Amino acid sequence: QKEVEQDPGPLSVPEGAIVSLNCTYSNSAFQYFMWYRQYSRKGPELLMYTYSSGNKEDGRFTAQVDKSSKYISLFIRDSQPSDSATYLCAMSAGSGYSTLTFGKGTMLLVSP
Amino acid sequence: GAVVSQHPSWVICKSGTSVKIECRSLDFQATTMFWYRQFPKQSLMLMATSNEGSKATYEQGVEKDKFLINHASLTLSTLTVTSAHPEDSSFYICSARDRLSVEYFGPGTRLTVL
Repeated sequence: QKEVEQDPGPLSVPEGAIVSLNCTYSNSAFQYFMWYRQYSRKGPELLMYTYSSGNKEDGRFTAQVDKSSKYISLFIRDSQPSDSATYLCAMSAGSGYSTLTFGKGTMLLVSP
Repeated sequence: GAVVSQHPSWVICKSGTSVKIECRSLDFQATTMFWYRQFPKQSLMLMATSNEGSKATYEQGVEKDKFLINHASLTLSTLTVTSAHPEDSSFYICSARDRLSVEYFGPGTRLTVL
């Protein structure tokens, strides 16, 4: 079993739809959870950062972490064609020298 | 959010030459920076962790003599690909970790070795 599982997609939705992106993980030591958006031929851009369990909202984006289920989600409301990109979940056990463990990324396509 | 820059954004070189890529954290100090490479349609693969003032820690399978990393200051890390060959052609991305342990990525450098 991989440490982080993420459906690669592609996930195709019409403009205005609510998008749900998810990752599951197996390492119970993970405490820091991040979502990055990556456009083709660009570096990943940080969207959301969450420590431990709970919800966090920023504009059209909501991140949820359920540590008991080892499951994290990113919701995008009112999706736009400009949201078309690959979304990477990432997590780490802590600060200092711990490194990020990434999911493989989900490709999202929002059609106008 | 914090900004990380990379230079150059793309480079084409001949086989056997060396290429240096710079990574800078523009508005924060980063004691730890990371170097990744990414092949098309794949996720990021960590190559090494770079700590300011100390030797880099390389991931298994990454040749430290081929990929030289220097973290000279709290805002600058460099990756030098020595004696580059076509199989080194890839997308190289750096990241920098801020004091809250949030990791920000640079825009990437596309290396093509002819």
